[in-house]
Amino acid sequence: EAQVTQNPRYLITVTGKKLTVTCSQNMNHEYMSWYRQDPGLGLRQIYYSMNVEVTDKGDVPEGYKVSRKEKRNFPLILESPSPNQTSLYFCASSLYPTSGDAGEQFFGPGTRLTVL
Amino acid sequence: GENVEQHPSTLSVQEGDSAVIKCTYSDSASNYFPWYKQELGKRPQLIIDIRSNVGEKKDQRIAVTLNKTAKHFSLHITETQPEDSAVYFCAAHGEGTYKYIFGTGTRLKVLA
Repeated sequence: EAQVTQNPRYLITVTGKKLTVTCSQNMNHEYMSWYRQDPGLGLRQIYYSMNVEVTDKGDVPEGYKVSRKEKRNFPLILESPSPNQTSLYFCASSLYPTSGDAGEQFFGPGTRLTVL
Repeated sequence: GENVEQHPSTLSVQEGDSAVIKCTYSDSASNYFPWYKQELGKRPQLIIDIRSNVGEKKDQRIAVTLNKTAKHFSLHITETQPEDSAVYFCAAHGEGTYKYIFGTGTRLKVLA
């Protein structure tokens, strides 16, 4: 089954404790992205990746890191989480051929993160 | 920076009526405009999209229109049904930047 998976789905942690949220897709998509969703603010892009070893900042990258060592995986790293990073996080992926147009983004199930 | 404004933030319609949600984008380089539906507790899912070389696209009860000159695009849902109740997000994607900018969402309630 074609899908985007995220783990964990729920996480409660404390300020300053490093954490990683994993994201994996099995559709051979070039483009992967992380979003955070907060009430009244919609979805805001944190980082995106056009392909392996190619990543770039979205609108709200502060406090986050990403890596793209393999095409299927795009982990989100919070080196020192703070309470203002409490949010619902979505990973997404899409086809994006080098000389083509963006394709439909498929979203993962979401990770609800609480930082105390 | 680039932004997308979405209106209204909430919309209530009677079952069978039409619903229209409007978005305005700032980046003239935007060339792809998807619309997502998010049901309560679920992930966003694409319902329709339009590219900058097209003015209108329709899929059954859903249509999207794009006015590049005015930098407006709109979602039209006809013959609304209770299962259309959800939050709808518009987005703009820029050629060259590869970023997605989302609107803040519209909560649509279809009253039976």
